[in-house]
Amino acid sequence: GQNIDQPTEMTATEGAIVQINCTYQTSGFNGLFWYQQHAGEAPTFLSYNVLDGLEEKGRFSSFLSRSKGYSYLLLKELQMKDSASYLCAGSYNNDMRFGAGTRLTV
Amino acid sequence: KAGVTQTPRYLIKTRGQQVTLSCSPISGHRSVSWYQQTPGQGLQFLFEYFSETQRNKGNFPGRFSGRQFSNSRSEMNVSTLELGDSALYLCASSYTLLGGTGLRNEQFFGPGTRLTVL
Repeated sequence: GQNIDQPTEMTATEGAIVQINCTYQTSGFNGLFWYQQHAGEAPTFLSYNVLDGLEEKGRFSSFLSRSKGYSYLLLKELQMKDSASYLCAGSYNNDMRFGAGTRLTV
Repeated sequence: KAGVTQTPRYLIKTRGQQVTLSCSPISGHRSVSWYQQTPGQGLQFLFEYFSETQRNKGNFPGRFSGRQFSNSRSEMNVSTLELGDSALYLCASSYTLLGGTGLRNEQFFGPGTRLTVL
């Protein structure tokens, strides 16, 4: 199958840095999305990585290693409003696969 | 710039009925994707339409179908509803096809349609 795996829950303190990891099947893989979803709301796009390396966007950064089937989302200077679920999703040929989400509590 | 809109926001149907959901993308976006979200299965990809053609499809039965119009608005239809179809149905629009290697891959989600099947 094309599993997307990420931790179920994480807890961090305000002002800290947290890294949310995601592993995925590499066969047929195109790119990796990260979304933020607050309870009762629709997901919000955070990033899309196609190439290896780190992409920084303000307090949020996303990293991809295509050869290792690994990505992470880095959140810096955590704020209370960052408490949400973070979804990792892989874009594959003709398909998109989502992880179950990581519930972050700040 | 108006966001992605979905109608209706809430819907209650009974088993065996059919339902049609509508999604209006952001102006200029040609890709519309549909997703089902449930507490048990999480977020699952249904299909993507681009320029009125279905380009990608997830692992859902044929009861789930869709279409896209020339103005990029999209509809999703579910026939012969089952209790397990109760879910939040989300659509998302983007400028490019999902999984592209270029820029502008950002996806914008609508608020969703909450479908309850009794």
